[in-house]
Amino acid sequence: KNQVEQSPQSLIILEGKNCTLQCNYTVSPFSNLRWYKQDTGRGPVSLTIMTFSENTKSNGRYTATLDADTKQSSLHITASQLSDSASYICVVSGGDSSYKLIFGSGTRLLVRP
Amino acid sequence: SQTIHQWPATLVQPVGSPLSLECTVEGTSNPNLYWYRQAAGRGLQLLFYSVGIGQISSEVPQNLSASRPQDRQFILSSKKLLLSDSGFYLCAWSARSTGRATNYGYTFGSGTRLTVV
Repeated sequence: KNQVEQSPQSLIILEGKNCTLQCNYTVSPFSNLRWYKQDTGRGPVSLTIMTFSENTKSNGRYTATLDADTKQSSLHITASQLSDSASYICVVSGGDSSYKLIFGSGTRLLVRP
Repeated sequence: SQTIHQWPATLVQPVGSPLSLECTVEGTSNPNLYWYRQAAGRGLQLLFYSVGIGQISSEVPQNLSASRPQDRQFILSSKKLLLSDSGFYLCAWSARSTGRATNYGYTFGSGTRLTVV
């Protein structure tokens, strides 16, 4: 069964600290993996997208890594800011249809001053 | 540049009333269009997707329906809303492709918060 699992479910950190969010997937065949940031009550906004051959991709203070062998990805946030408080969703494309995305349930991050 | 518009942003409807949510995309042609629902604290669930005018695929049996009367317009409807239809509805689009492309542009709208009372 194609699944995407994220951990932790929620996380609280102090402003300025770093954190790492995890994503494990069992989607096969694999096409690409995306990380989205979703502010409360808003649509998800893309942070990074990585294909099979990419190991890391950065977008400002966000750095995503991908290990296609172990089917794991991580999203590292450096020098967190209050505006980083949001849900972070790992999404994998592939499986039995190239049109569809398989979503993780997200990690809710709260950055406190 | 491509943009996606979704409205209304919030909606409160009584049980048994009809529903119509609209989504339009600008700046692209022949997009794939999607409707998702997100329950509180849960992941996104794909409801419908469309690869062309009049072509609708339903992912889960439910009280909702979708239509695509124009290339860049996607509508989510219900004849009679249920309490369980409450949630956050998101429209999305991706570039049309053939075969198994490895890199889609996949963009979400801003969402509609539906509360059925």
